[in-house]
Amino acid sequence: GQQVMQIPQYQHVQEGEDFTTYCNSSTTLSNIQWYKQRPGGHPVFLIQLVKSGEVKKQKRLTFQFGEAKKNSSLHITATQTTDVGTYFCARPRGGSARQLTFGSGTQLTVLP
Amino acid sequence: NAGVTQTPKFRILKIGQSMTLQCTQDMNHNYMYWYRQDPGMGLKLIYYSVGAGITDKGEVPNGYNVSRSTTEDFPLRLELAAPSQTSVYFCASSPTRDTAYEQYFGPGTRLTVT
Repeated sequence: GQQVMQIPQYQHVQEGEDFTTYCNSSTTLSNIQWYKQRPGGHPVFLIQLVKSGEVKKQKRLTFQFGEAKKNSSLHITATQTTDVGTYFCARPRGGSARQLTFGSGTQLTVLP
Repeated sequence: NAGVTQTPKFRILKIGQSMTLQCTQDMNHNYMYWYRQDPGMGLKLIYYSVGAGITDKGEVPNGYNVSRSTTEDFPLRLELAAPSQTSVYFCASSPTRDTAYEQYFGPGTRLTVT
């Protein structure tokens, strides 16, 4: 009940193609966060979604929170080589939004 | 601000040795965390702290100990290192504001136990 399933595990795209990763929970979430980790680097916070049906954009990145607050997606339009890395979603652990349970991540490779 | 800093960057331990991983943040965050990340996996919470003097166990606390004597520092202690503790360890901190739950991560410590 505390896990988040993230799919796909790996994704290879040609530069310029779009990319989407999905995060699914069996229980309703109070919020969900997304992080990016470059190869050999540390996770970097991207965004937090709180409201049902919320959609937020950051340049070529679009984040969505499902109407039932059980799933979320990250979509990248026209990928670039700088998008390479692993994208993690993270949900609150237990009853606290201050602790996180991370998904297993989607590793994105962008082929030039 | 330096953000979250961790030392050392790399360490090789022999089985049974002990060590302390250091973590410091200069953002005056009350919340601090220790995670481990095994190759190709997500992050697992080891311990966390909601402020100086207060710590609690996370998902995988066995074999580790922490202390939080100041707001800035949150060291992680490994006693009797085992090969299963080979991992990358990340420290993180989070602001105290009510609606701000994002976590800021340090660069990590890569630990090998042989």
